[in-house]
Amino acid sequence: DGGITQSPKYLFRKEGQNVTLSCEQNLNHDAMYWYRQDPGQGLRLIYYSQIVNDFQKGDIAEGYSVSREKKESFPLTVTSAQKNPTAFYLCASNGLGGASNQPQHFGDGTRLSIL
Amino acid sequence: GQQLNQSPQSMFIQEGEDVSMNCTSSSIFNTWLWYKQDPGEGPVLLIALYKAGELTSNGRLTAQFGITRKDSFLNISASIPSDVGIYFCAGQLKTNNQFYFGTGTSLTVIP
Repeated sequence: DGGITQSPKYLFRKEGQNVTLSCEQNLNHDAMYWYRQDPGQGLRLIYYSQIVNDFQKGDIAEGYSVSREKKESFPLTVTSAQKNPTAFYLCASNGLGGASNQPQHFGDGTRLSIL
Repeated sequence: GQQLNQSPQSMFIQEGEDVSMNCTSSSIFNTWLWYKQDPGEGPVLLIALYKAGELTSNGRLTAQFGITRKDSFLNISASIPSDVGIYFCAGQLKTNNQFYFGTGTSLTVIP
């Protein structure tokens, strides 16, 4: 089945540690996105990429890094510089083109907590 | 970031009642989307709207793209317990084609 796979489902980070969240899609979508969701809040954009080897900062990129070496993969690294990393992280993707881009589809999320 | 005002923030209704929620903005959008999110899961697309004035249904759900292109609403008729969750609107901004999300409406259905 086509879809977006995020792993792991739950992740724990120790003080000073970098952790990487995986996002893979087999929908042949050009664009991929990372969002952060805090309790009772909407989605805030961390990074997005519209083409391989290129990505742009979103509204809250500080303390995060990404790469887009392959079209189907867009891993997110939460660095030790991110002082409040506890949140639910969502990856999304969509196709591009025309006057309106295709709707974004989401993975099932990764919940990151601090040990 | 772009602000989408979604209301109400939460709703508690009896099973069988109809529900209405809306999103407004000061900016013009090309596309309006409505998603539902269950606890611990990712949002799932319910309805996509692409033209001003468009009215689209998906089962008991109906959504409309406002004529001014600055708002959208979602109606759920005859609510059932499985409608419980958080509903998000999202709009694709005309000026940069980026998607922006509302803060969500938490729906509780009392059997």
